Amino acid sequence: NAGVTQTPKFQVLKTGQSMTLQCAQDMNHEYMSWYRQDPGMGLRLIHYSVGAGITDQGEVPNGYNVSRSTTEDFPLRLLSAAPSQTSVYFCASRRQGANEQYFGPGTRLTVT
Amino acid sequence: LAKTTQPISMDSYEGQEVNITCSHNNIATNDYITWYQQFPSQGPRFIIQGYKTKVTNEVASLFIPADRKSSTLSLPRVSLSDTAVYYCLVGDMGLTGGGNKLTFGTGTQLKVEL
Repeated sequence: NAGVTQTPKFQVLKTGQSMTLQCAQDMNHEYMSWYRQDPGMGLRLIHYSVGAGITDQGEVPNGYNVSRSTTEDFPLRLLSAAPSQTSVYFCASRRQGANEQYFGPGTRLTVT
Repeated sequence: LAKTTQPISMDSYEGQEVNITCSHNNIATNDYITWYQQFPSQGPRFIIQGYKTKVTNEVASLFIPADRKSSTLSLPRVSLSDTAVYYCLVGDMGLTGGGNKLTFGTGTQLKVEL
């Protein structure tokens, strides 16, 4: 199993551009989440999904959209990038009924 | 959701036992306590999870007193490679999707030296 994969690893955007961060898992996990981590801070939940077709907002959802058309994929869309969205983004998944989350390697995003 | 409080940083030397305590005074009946480890430029990694008393696995032990208002992660005989940030999370992740709203906080930066 590849586990949780994220692409790209690094990305630089200009203010106002849009892009999609990709996340995929091959463990057939029902739950998937997106977090952002800013320097010296913990992870903050952006959006999460409890299954295909079901998504909900986390702690910091503004400026981001998600969809979950399949169990495997959970893309995160930045609609109009802002410098405040410069961060490292982590995707995670877990099995329903389990507490252990599996994290991807992260995407480092810089918005200029 | 239960709020957690941990020390911001801790220092230790190789071979010592390290204990990191997390306070969670408003833990709910269905909440579990979970600890993660994060190395620089990597995603967090699950270490251990418990509900009450003591849990031990191949890397750590977790001590939870009867009132469950705190927990202590114990790392035996640390090495340089244990230098990382350790996060304590409290919540009911197993039963409902709402458990996905757990927050990681700022964690405890453990630095292990020779």
